[in-house]
Amino acid sequence: KAGVTQTPRYLIKTRGQQVTLSCSPISGHRSVSWYQQTPGQGLQFLFEYFSETQRNKGNFPGRFSGRQFSNSRSEMNVSTLELGDSALYLCASSLGRYNEQFFGPGTRLTVL
Amino acid sequence: GESVGLHLPTLSVQEGDNSIINCAYSNSASDYFIWYKQESGKGPQFIIDIRSNMDKRQGQRVTVLLNKTVKHLSLQIAATQPGDSAVYFCAENVDYGGSQGNLIFGKGTKLSVKP
Repeated sequence: KAGVTQTPRYLIKTRGQQVTLSCSPISGHRSVSWYQQTPGQGLQFLFEYFSETQRNKGNFPGRFSGRQFSNSRSEMNVSTLELGDSALYLCASSLGRYNEQFFGPGTRLTVL
Repeated sequence: GESVGLHLPTLSVQEGDNSIINCAYSNSASDYFIWYKQESGKGPQFIIDIRSNMDKRQGQRVTVLLNKTVKHLSLQIAATQPGDSAVYFCAENVDYGGSQGNLIFGKGTKLSVKP
């Protein structure tokens, strides 16, 4: 079956702009999580959605937001981009707790 | 946190040898632990998991050991192969009403396998 897909794979933006990233989970997976990966901070949890509801949120500013649609696809939005937002943004989906969490290839965001 | 791909602890092993990667986790309330492998340009890939009611779990060529007393996790890879070269992360999870999405990742260890 198809894996987790993320679009776009690469993105270049300038400071102050906003960006929307998309994630399509594996068919049947209702849990979708987002992570930020940077050389300095490693992998950090952003938020998790389950059945269109945000179930958990990491320690990120309100500029980072997300949503999940009825087909489980998810988007995350970052407003007023800062240089420090440059990172690999990873999406993961799973059936639920104690089930393997499958990661997508990520979206590489560069903020200039 | 430490850099992914930069300043990461590195373990260098000879092909065919066994590898042991260690991880200290932070939250004594964590009850679910997972090891991931990340190759360059890819997202993390699940290797093996273990629940806190277990001390050891074995998979194909991999074994995870959990020591809750000292909050320590290890991944053993038997007969290490060049294809095992990657960055390895441990992750911990606390049960917040069935949620698994909020994984807390360790710093990562880069495994380099010499042929």
